[in-house]
Amino acid sequence: DGGITQSPKYLFRKEGQNVTLSCEQNLNHDAMYWYRQDPGQGLRLIYYSQIVNDFQKGDIAEGYSVSREKKESFPLTVTSAQKNPTAFYLCASSIVGRNQPQHFGDGTRLSIL
Amino acid sequence: GENVEQHPSTLSVQEGDSAVIKCTYSDSASNYFPWYKQELGKGPQLIIDIRSNVGEKKDQRIAVTLNKTAKHFSLHITETQPEDSAVYFCAASGGSGNTPLVFGKGTRLSVIA
Repeated sequence: DGGITQSPKYLFRKEGQNVTLSCEQNLNHDAMYWYRQDPGQGLRLIYYSQIVNDFQKGDIAEGYSVSREKKESFPLTVTSAQKNPTAFYLCASSIVGRNQPQHFGDGTRLSIL
Repeated sequence: GENVEQHPSTLSVQEGDSAVIKCTYSDSASNYFPWYKQELGKGPQLIIDIRSNVGEKKDQRIAVTLNKTAKHFSLHITETQPEDSAVYFCAASGGSGNTPLVFGKGTRLSVIA
């Protein structure tokens, strides 16, 4: 079954720690995206990538980093520089192009201990 | 860049009534407008989309209308059912180039049985 897998579903971080959220897709999509979702804020774009070994900052990239070494994988690292990391993180993928829908995973909820 | 406004932020309807959610966008170059439904603890799922060469599209109980002159589009759900209760997001293609979708802030729809 094709789709996007995010893991883990719940993640806890101690102050000062970096954590990495996993996102894998088997849809053969070239483009992948990371969003942060807070109550009442909608979906805010963190980073996106349209091809392997290349990625662009979104609207709220500060305190986050990504890599795109493989087409099917786009991990997101939440660094200690992100002062308010508690949120629901969503990964998506799509065919590259303007009029293409994005397909989402079921998210990772990150909380600070 | 593109800006998408979505109204209302919350909507309650009686089961069997219709629900309408409205969005406006700013970039006249945008020409793709998807709608997503997000259930609790899940990622958004595409429910319907429309491209600028059509003014209306229907799929069973849901329909989307587009007015490019006024730069607004709407989601219509008829004969609402309790399982329609969710958060709905509109989005617009990010104008020129291959920029990601820009999302509205969401509408929480509650269908009261």
